[in-house]
Amino acid sequence: DAKTTQPPSMDCAEGRAANLPCNHSTISGNEYVYWYRQIHSQGPQYIIHGLKNNETNEMASLIITEDRKSSTLILPHATLRDTAVYYCIVRGSSNTGKLIFGQGTTLQVKP
Amino acid sequence: GAVVSQHPSRVICKSGTSVKIECRSLDFQATTMFWYRQFPKQSLMLMATSNEGSKATYEQGVEKDKFLINHASLTLSTLTVTSAHPEDSSFYICSARDYGQGPWGEKLFFGSGTQLSVL
Repeated sequence: DAKTTQPPSMDCAEGRAANLPCNHSTISGNEYVYWYRQIHSQGPQYIIHGLKNNETNEMASLIITEDRKSSTLILPHATLRDTAVYYCIVRGSSNTGKLIFGQGTTLQVKP
Repeated sequence: GAVVSQHPSRVICKSGTSVKIECRSLDFQATTMFWYRQFPKQSLMLMATSNEGSKATYEQGVEKDKFLINHASLTLSTLTVTSAHPEDSSFYICSARDYGQGPWGEKLFFGSGTQLSVL
């Protein structure tokens, strides 16, 4: 599975949009981009995933560049409860399904 | 989303004892489950892949005799830390694979984790 690169930390003002970038320049055609987040001392929570097209759900939007080498997770109106570590993971559909976690981005939402 | 229940949430044990952690998929069948370990301020590290009805596949460097995994049914996997020592103290997290509607719908859902402290 392709590796991902994320900034170690980011701040965001409460109520503003949080845009979390992820680079995955070695992604291959059958690999999906997944985003999870982990709030302190809890298990990771699924946010969203995509292959080529942009995706949106009740939690967030995922924007994938046309060349698929990078993506951005957007939390449209960040709240204090969105403070967490956000993980961007690339995974192929043909493997065992395991997710390999990198270091992620620690998002601090400030009042 | 699908629910994965992990029990216990916290356990304290004496050195040399064994501890069992249960992971259940509550509203879907999970032929594959995964076990992770996480040390403070670090990311999750995959320990093993648990397949229903067959032997688990362990990641490199993980002792299979130390961390016994049993996946006897489609909704239950257990991790037993045998002869636990203080260095085994960690946050253990399970996840279950929900195939959904094929590769597009496939997701992993995670339990809430078990904090193991070995005295």
